[in-house]
Amino acid sequence: AQSVTQLDSQVPVFEEAPVELRCNYSSSVSVYLFWYVQYPNQGLQLLLKYLSGSTLVKGINGFEAEFNKSQTSFHLRKPSVHISDTAEYFCAVSPPNDYKLSFGAGTTVTVRA
Amino acid sequence: GAVVSQHPSWVICKSGTSVKIECRSLDFQATTMFWYRQFPKQSLMLMATSNEGSKATYEQGVEKDKFLINHASLTLSTLTVTSAHPEDSSFYICSARVSIGGGARDTQYFGPGTRLTVL
Repeated sequence: AQSVTQLDSQVPVFEEAPVELRCNYSSSVSVYLFWYVQYPNQGLQLLLKYLSGSTLVKGINGFEAEFNKSQTSFHLRKPSVHISDTAEYFCAVSPPNDYKLSFGAGTTVTVRA
Repeated sequence: GAVVSQHPSWVICKSGTSVKIECRSLDFQATTMFWYRQFPKQSLMLMATSNEGSKATYEQGVEKDKFLINHASLTLSTLTVTSAHPEDSSFYICSARVSIGGGARDTQYFGPGTRLTVL
């Protein structure tokens, strides 16, 4: 079984400042890792995913994440946020060759001018 | 990108009644759809996996007789909450899987969710 811990429930940040959202996972097998974003009143949208290869993954909207196997982490970063990045962010994992996702509790990012 | 819709977006019903929620893939065919439940400030919990033309597979602890899932076509899955009670009040989210090779390499597209309030 897998579990996901998002270490910050809420992250307030000023516009154009950098942001990092932390995600740690627990699994007895190797996993695939995902970050999703949920804008108000919308469905979840895939930001990026790590399946294999380079541990630094670049996604949409300027986001990137780094897979650290020794620390079982997959932190999400953006060097400069916009007001439009205000949303809920979810980290998720799944075992290889299994499409079932296990989600973290989510991190609410609020970007202020 | 692929779009998944849910209807209704919110519903209020009386205790003891049944409520049906629809999940549609608008511009692609989805052999597999998933139903999640999300409580306020909590994670999405997978309730069941729905495959077109076959019975849904429920996660441990989910009552299959209470949450009826039908996946009658490649673009439509429905979740019926039977004899709803206040504790069933929640945010229900569906997703549809686009198969591009199998396994987690597939992409899941999520619907906007349905807010159910049972009085």
